[in-house]
Amino acid sequence: SQKIEQNSEALNIQEGKTATLTCNYTNYSPAYLQWYRQDPGRGPVFLLLIRENEKEKRKERLKVTFDTTLKQSLFHITASQPADSATYLCASRYSSASKIIFGSGTRLSIRP
Amino acid sequence: GAGVSQSPRYKVAKRGQDVALRCDPISGHVSLFWYQQALGQGPEFLTYFQNEAQLDKSGLPSDRFFAERPEGSVSTLKIQRTQQEDSAVYLCASSSRVPGLAGGPEDTQYFGPGTRLTVL
Repeated sequence: SQKIEQNSEALNIQEGKTATLTCNYTNYSPAYLQWYRQDPGRGPVFLLLIRENEKEKRKERLKVTFDTTLKQSLFHITASQPADSATYLCASRYSSASKIIFGSGTRLSIRP
Repeated sequence: GAGVSQSPRYKVAKRGQDVALRCDPISGHVSLFWYQQALGQGPEFLTYFQNEAQLDKSGLPSDRFFAERPEGSVSTLKIQRTQQEDSAVYLCASSSRVPGLAGGPEDTQYFGPGTRLTVL
C-alpha cells in the first residue's frame, strides 16, 4: 500500500545550523509533496508544496527538494532559530483520490 | 471568519456516550476534510466533503462514525457509543477548491485547532 515515512526520532540541532528532515514514499508516484508545520495543541500549517517536475523550491529560509529516483523529499531550514522548533509533517495525495496521506512527522528542537 | 474553527476544543466522554464535534470552515471553501490524529502520529484521513456531498468516507473507522455537512458550510462529526480507542485529536481542514493533482493553490488545506477527545 502507499506509504509516506518520516524519521520518527526527534531531531535536535544547534541554533544557526541547517536542519534537514527526510520524507520517503513507497508504492506510488505522487504528483506533488507538501510540508506542514504543527505546534503543540494546534492544527498543521501549510509551508511549501513541490511538484514532481520541480527539483527544488525555496521560501525564505526554507528549501524543499524532490528526488523521484530516490523517492524522497528533503526539507531544509537554514540559519535555524529556536522558534523553528515544532513537528514537521510531509503529506501527499495519490492517484485521483481526494485522500491525503500524512507522514508521522519529525519533531525538531533548536537549542540556543 | 479568519480561519477554520472547531468546537469544543476539549471533550471528555464516558465510554458508550455519543459525541458531536463541530467544524466551521473558512467561508466559501468548497472542500472540507476530517482527520483523526493519535498522539505522536500524523493526521489520518477520515472523510471528505465537496460542498454538501460526502464524496469519500473511506477513512471512517467504523459505522459508529458519521459526518455531515448539510448546507455545504458547517460540518459535524458524530461518534456514537464512544470507545477508549476513539481518544484522539480530531482535525478539520478546508480548502478553496476541489482537490487536484496539479499541485496548485486548491491543494492547500487550512486546518482548525482540533478537538481533543478523551474517552474514559
